[in-house]
Amino acid sequence: AQSVSQHNHHVILSEAASLELGCNYSYGGTVNLFWYVQYPGQHLQLLLKYFSGDPLVKGIKGFEAEFIKSKFSFNLRKPSVQWSDTAEYFCAVSSTDSWGKFQFGAGTQVVVTP
Amino acid sequence: DTAVSQTPKYLVTQMGNDKSIKCEQNLGHDTMYWYKQDSKKFLKIMFSYNNKELIINETVPNRFSPKSPDKAHLNLHINSLELGDSAVYFCASSQTRGIQYFGAGTRLSVL
Repeated sequence: AQSVSQHNHHVILSEAASLELGCNYSYGGTVNLFWYVQYPGQHLQLLLKYFSGDPLVKGIKGFEAEFIKSKFSFNLRKPSVQWSDTAEYFCAVSSTDSWGKFQFGAGTQVVVTP
Repeated sequence: DTAVSQTPKYLVTQMGNDKSIKCEQNLGHDTMYWYKQDSKKFLKIMFSYNNKELIINETVPNRFSPKSPDKAHLNLHINSLELGDSAVYFCASSQTRGIQYFGAGTRLSVL
């Protein structure tokens, strides 16, 4: 069965620090990969996506992610975080041969301190 | 204009009651979804409809019944509410297999 694992449940860091959130998935077929962000009290918003092509994808708000097929990973990075990046971050995977069924990771709560 | 809108935003009700949550999308998408987010923020898909046809039906109690009158609407009716149904319910829509766009969520509290 498809599964998504996010390594960190809680991350606390200071403004200007670099952020990297790990995401690994288990699925043998071709997948689409996503990172979503949920700001406190808000709905999920798409940060970035990978369908095919360049494995290094850039998203909104200075985020980027790298797809490493051999490691089944899609890690999210931001070189310098801001207080406004405090949010819950979700990795999601959908297989290209299903009806777009998303499997979400458990989420990582990121707190950025001033 | 809100792309995916859900009503109500908050729902507080007693155990045993029946309630509905409505979802509408104006993105022209052909697929809609219902997710449940529990208190630990874990998101789990419940149902998905493609062009009004049920295509994903996860292991959900049959007290939950989705209805899609047209491809722009997907409602969720819950019978005999239980304490464990308390959660945030998110509606989403996409083109088939595409990016999913989420609504603002409905926070359901069962007392």
